[in-house]
Amino acid sequence: SAVISQKPSRDICQRGTSLTIQCQVDSQVTMMFWYRQQPGQSLTLIATANQGSEATYESGFVIDKFPISRPNLTFSTLTVSNMSPEDSSIYLCSVEPGAGGETQYFGPGTRLLVL
Amino acid sequence: AQSVAQPEDQVNVAEGNPLTVKCTYSVSGNPYLFWYVQYPNRGLQFLLKYITGDNLVKGSYGFEAEFNKSQTSFHLKKPSALVSDSALYFCAVRDTGGFKTIFGAGTRLFVKA
Repeated sequence: SAVISQKPSRDICQRGTSLTIQCQVDSQVTMMFWYRQQPGQSLTLIATANQGSEATYESGFVIDKFPISRPNLTFSTLTVSNMSPEDSSIYLCSVEPGAGGETQYFGPGTRLLVL
Repeated sequence: AQSVAQPEDQVNVAEGNPLTVKCTYSVSGNPYLFWYVQYPNRGLQFLLKYITGDNLVKGSYGFEAEFNKSQTSFHLKKPSALVSDSALYFCAVRDTGGFKTIFGAGTRLFVKA
């Protein structure tokens, strides 16, 4: 398993600004994921972030809007750039620690409100 | 392409009664199947998974799920529901050899005392 922390837990931001969300894992993991979730709804994968390579973005998400860093095997950041109210959501970090296990572990999420 | 469907937005059950949360899937190969639970204002927690082997998989908190290949289903079950089981439940699927897990829309379970 893995224990994941995220900072900040929540934030209220003004449109046009940017917010960087941090994800810290208590063990070294190769695969990390960033998701977006509207409250009470399903998860949408934003990108996969593997250490040592560029993040892979899903359709509808671009690097200019959601730049991701993955400097080592325990840490990642997701930046939400030039925010608009449509970016208001919960952002979840997830890791897949086991080789062949495929089980994902999730952080507590960052609740973002853009005014 | 892989997909997963949870046909019920909400399931209501009385405490002590058995519960079932339904899930069907579609993958091109053999599936990896998962159930996750999300309690209010908390992140997702892993409940159980099917990779291979016995079709009946047992997981956390007394939950179990049955893999049915012919019906492409992976329904979540519990013999006796607790009020504390009230939460949002997600079924998820990954194609063998794939790297992306697809999550269902979620089913909200209400257990009434």
